Amino acid sequence: GDSVTQMEGPVTLSEEAFLTINCTYTATGYPSLFWYVQYPGEGLQLLLKATKADDKGSNKGFEATYRKETTSFHLEKGSVQVSDSAVYFCALSPNAGNNRKLIWGLGTSLAVNP
Amino acid sequence: DGGITQSPKYLFRKEGQNVTLSCEQNLNHDAMYWYRQDPGQGLRLIYYSQIVNDFQKGDIAEGYSVSREKKESFPLTVTSAQKNPTAFYLCASCATDRPTGELFFGEGSRLTVL
Repeated sequence: GDSVTQMEGPVTLSEEAFLTINCTYTATGYPSLFWYVQYPGEGLQLLLKATKADDKGSNKGFEATYRKETTSFHLEKGSVQVSDSAVYFCALSPNAGNNRKLIWGLGTSLAVNP
Repeated sequence: DGGITQSPKYLFRKEGQNVTLSCEQNLNHDAMYWYRQDPGQGLRLIYYSQIVNDFQKGDIAEGYSVSREKKESFPLTVTSAQKNPTAFYLCASCATDRPTGELFFGEGSRLTVL
């Protein structure tokens, strides 16, 4: 069945470091891909999304490119800030699916130190 | 401001008691969802509703019940039949059930069984 695999955390970085959080997926067809972020004590927020191959989602300095050849959707940011400390979730929605079929990764915790 | 409100934020329950978690949205969204979040397990779908007076089981519905009498409200009852109810519960909504639609989350309710 469809699945999402994220790199395990926690990830600890210094401020202004480069961030990569790996996400790979298994799915038939052409899923939509998402990154959600959960700040401490809060619910999740959509960070970015991509709906077809080679699409690049971007928001708040974060980027992720939908790579069908490597079935990946890695999250990157060139210079992290302390305020980026959060848990990041990769998710997919199967081709012609719906939100109730969202498949979630386990989340990657990021801590950014000043 | 528009959003989703979950209450209570923290709830303690004795074994054998039913508890109801509230979820209210003023986003005029049709679709609403309940997720359970456990450490290291990502998000798991409990119930969802696409329209008033209709709802469907998700992946882990046993021991839970819901109602959708109003568009704005989707309360979740954790019954005594739920074997391991201690968890963080998240409510979400979406304008439609389409996979490219953004899910909006509440801040969550943390339930602890004593």
